[in-house]
Amino acid sequence: DIQMTQSPSSLSASVGDRVTITCRASQDIRNDLGWYQQKPGKAPKRLIYAASSLQSGVPSRFSGSGSGTEFTLTISSLQPEDFATYYCLQHNSYPPAYTFGQGTKLEIK
Amino acid sequence: QVQLQESGPGLVKPSETLSLTCTVSGYSISSGYYWGWIRQPPGKGLEWIGTIYHTGSTYYNPSLKSRVTISVDTSKNQFSLKLTSVTAADTAVYYCARELGGGPDDYWGQGTLVTVSS
Repeated sequence: DIQMTQSPSSLSASVGDRVTITCRASQDIRNDLGWYQQKPGKAPKRLIYAASSLQSGVPSRFSGSGSGTEFTLTISSLQPEDFATYYCLQHNSYPPAYTFGQGTKLEIK
Repeated sequence: QVQLQESGPGLVKPSETLSLTCTVSGYSISSGYYWGWIRQPPGKGLEWIGTIYHTGSTYYNPSLKSRVTISVDTSKNQFSLKLTSVTAADTAVYYCARELGGGPDDYWGQGTLVTVSS
């Protein structure tokens, strides 16, 4: 099974800050990774697919990078609505066996 | 506009079977896509449960595989989840979602809380 290690588990930042969240895979997953944002009481929302492609309608301050085993989600300038929990999801396995990272809670400093 | 809605009992007794249905509107399941179930225990992270293709092919989380069945009813435009022999550890918000390009994309249900308790 592919394991995903996400860090940090929590992060305090201010509006306007640049923030980076990392996910590491236990084996090479090429670029088979997505990033999701979840706000309290809501379903997750996909921000990034294929490691670096921006989902339609998602602001350009969100970006993803990486391939192989190390991936990052960057928010270039935090906005108030960005305070949420973020998850990575790998989908490299076949047959499909998705694995989420443990999540990163982004809080206001 | 594609919409998904979970339905089913909010309370299940230990050792019994959890059954949920996801009704899809605005899109015909038989036309394609993968459809999945994801859950989230209170205060914890997301866990993929399994996925079904419109043809009926299924893929399950290995840690749940022995207890999970996902099925599709294209005549009702629904897909369903059954989880047997539940324990308190199965208490969670259960989401259904459409999958595209590896994992859920823009269309999710609002989630339904299922509590396992006697």
